[in-house]
Amino acid sequence: QKEVEQDPGPLSVPEGAIVSLNCTYSNSAFQYFMWYRQYSRKGPELLMYTYSSGNKEDGRFTAQVDKSSKYISLFIRDSQPSDSATYLCAMTPNPGGSNYKLTFGKGTLLTVNP
Amino acid sequence: DVKVTQSSRYLVKRTGEKVFLECVQDMDHENMFWYRQDPGLGLRLIYFSYDVKMKEKGDIPEGYSVSREKKERFSLILESASTNQTSMYLCASSWTEKNEKLFFGSGTQLSVL
Repeated sequence: QKEVEQDPGPLSVPEGAIVSLNCTYSNSAFQYFMWYRQYSRKGPELLMYTYSSGNKEDGRFTAQVDKSSKYISLFIRDSQPSDSATYLCAMTPNPGGSNYKLTFGKGTLLTVNP
Repeated sequence: DVKVTQSSRYLVKRTGEKVFLECVQDMDHENMFWYRQDPGLGLRLIYFSYDVKMKEKGDIPEGYSVSREKKERFSLILESASTNQTSMYLCASSWTEKNEKLFFGSGTQLSVL
C-alpha cells in the first residue's frame, strides 16, 4: 500500500458546484496535512495547512482531517473556473527542523466549466 | 514576494551529456529541494539540503548529484543524462521553522534525446 493515495481524476464540474477532493494515507505518524494547488505550467503553491484532526476554513476552501480513518479532504464551495488546477495533498510527521520532507499525493486534476 | 527562480523553462539535451539545473531563491531560506514530476507518478524528491554544503538523498537520488555552495543557490546535476530522466524538474525552498510551506519555482521541462 502506498503511503499516500489520491484519486488522479480528472474531475470536471460546472461553475458553482461544491467540489470534494480526498486523500488517504497509511502512516499513522503523519500529523501535519497540507493542500497545494498547481496551475498548468507552474509550480505548486500552498493552499491550506492543518494540524491533527478537525476542520479549517479559509474563504471558499475547507480542509478536513480524520486521523482515525486516515483520511483528509479539501472542499471547495461555489467553485470558479479560476479553481481549475491540479490539487496535491501533502503530509509529514513533523515540519520543523532539518532532515525533513513532505510526502505528496499524486494530485487530482480539477476543471471547473463556466 | 518570495521568488524561486529556475534558470531554464525548457531544456533539450542528448543522452550522455552532463546537465546542470540551477535554482536561486531570494528569501534566505535554509532548506532547498529538488523534485521531479511525472504523469502518474506525482512529485518525487530527488535531493534536499538544509544548509550550505549539506545535502541529503531523497527518494530517487540515483543518477543525480547536487551542489549548494551558497545559501541561495541549489544546483541539480545529471552526470550522464539518460532518456528516463526526461521530466519536469521543480526546485523548492522553505524556512526550517515553517517547513510545511514550500515555495516552488515554475519548473524546468527537460527532454533527453
